Amino acid sequence: QQQVKQSPQSLIVQKGGISIINCAYENTAFDYFPWYQQFPGKGPALLIAIRPDVSEKKEGRFTISFNKSAKQFSLHIMDSQPGDSATYFCAASKTQGGSEKLVFGKGTKLTVNP
Amino acid sequence: DGGITQSPKYLFRKEGQNVTLSCEQNLNHDAMYWYRQDPGQGLRLIYYSQIVNDFQKGDIAEGYSVSREKKESFPLTVTSAQKNPTAFYLCASTLRVENTEAFFGQGTRLTVV
Repeated sequence: QQQVKQSPQSLIVQKGGISIINCAYENTAFDYFPWYQQFPGKGPALLIAIRPDVSEKKEGRFTISFNKSAKQFSLHIMDSQPGDSATYFCAASKTQGGSEKLVFGKGTKLTVNP
Repeated sequence: DGGITQSPKYLFRKEGQNVTLSCEQNLNHDAMYWYRQDPGQGLRLIYYSQIVNDFQKGDIAEGYSVSREKKESFPLTVTSAQKNPTAFYLCASTLRVENTEAFFGQGTRLTVV
């Protein structure tokens, strides 16, 4: 059972455009939703994260939008740059009331053309 | 600098051989994880450990084994029972299992020749 579904699998955007990656989750006990960025040949690194008590979090050009009722969250990359070309993973976990490890989506390969 | 060190970066194995991938962390994290990454498959959990001398199977544990004799170290052995071992392997750690940020190593690319 895939607990976090991520789409699209790949995305091509022109420089300066907006990149949007979506994730949907099933477990309503999840209370932590991070996004990881991975460059080729490297390990993923935390990019930005949100908790369900807010609907949006912005850090620079990166924004997470969160819809608790729909059980969906998305990553928006504004003014996309070629340096943003990477694979992005959404994830979810339950951090309160017991041990729950991170569950990852299958990833989105983003290509930003110059 | 604190972090996770995986070695080697590239590893070649002959069919039928066991091979061990190293993962060391100096973050004083309790929990450590091994993931396998294949194109289009995302990160699949192999094993994880919440504390020294304890570990749990993940989603794809068959053909793999681990040990956690020290807090800093969580080596992964890919055994000959693993039918398709060629992949990119990632080690990660969190302060505790239920904690937030996961720190990843740089990965080991294993190729069976």
